[in-house]
Amino acid sequence: GEDVEQSLFLSVREGDSSVINCTYTDSSSTYLYWYKQEPGAGLQLLTYIFSNMDMKQDQRLTVLLNKKDKHLSLRIADTQTGDSAIYFCAEIYSGGYQKVTFGIGTKLQVIP
Amino acid sequence: EPEVTQTPSHQVTQMGQEVILRCVPISNHLYFYWYRQILGQKVEFLVSFYNNEISEKSEIFDDQFSVERPDGSNFTLKIRSTKLEDSAMYFCASNPGLASTDTQYFGPGTRLTVL
Repeated sequence: GEDVEQSLFLSVREGDSSVINCTYTDSSSTYLYWYKQEPGAGLQLLTYIFSNMDMKQDQRLTVLLNKKDKHLSLRIADTQTGDSAIYFCAEIYSGGYQKVTFGIGTKLQVIP
Repeated sequence: EPEVTQTPSHQVTQMGQEVILRCVPISNHLYFYWYRQILGQKVEFLVSFYNNEISEKSEIFDDQFSVERPDGSNFTLKIRSTKLEDSAMYFCASNPGLASTDTQYFGPGTRLTVL
């Protein structure tokens, strides 16, 4: 079945770039997502990329997709303390009613 | 911008009690979902719902769970007899359709605590 893997923790200094990585298994995914979850809060859709794209840029966020290696990354430029949160990589399973499969989440800690 | 809403934000219940978690999906959306996140674990798919019936469900969604769209706006998840292990954050989501350009929107979640 489909699975999404990501590292658990990342620590960066304020102003540096953060890169959060993810691998997935479902080669027929149509969408890959990045969600942000702040403590005690819900899931905020940050950005997404179609599976036929290699890159998507949205202000400070850059998503890179390597479909051959099934690798997705999220780069946050000029990381701020407000970026501290858990970041979930997720994919849509294209064979059904679009249920979303999530990774376990990477906790980003931004050090002032 | 339209958003998915959920009530209550936090529900505390005794083991064995029934709970109903409520969601109001985005008004023109057709597909509805429930997910749950046990503390420290992945967000897991529970069930999808379309055209007034369950379209897909996971192994977690056993006979203790049911979903309903009682009117044109609400979408509910009922847990018949809660267990301690049902304590989790429950997220509702909705999709406008299944086209490749459609994306899923999540509500803020209901934190369920079973004592």
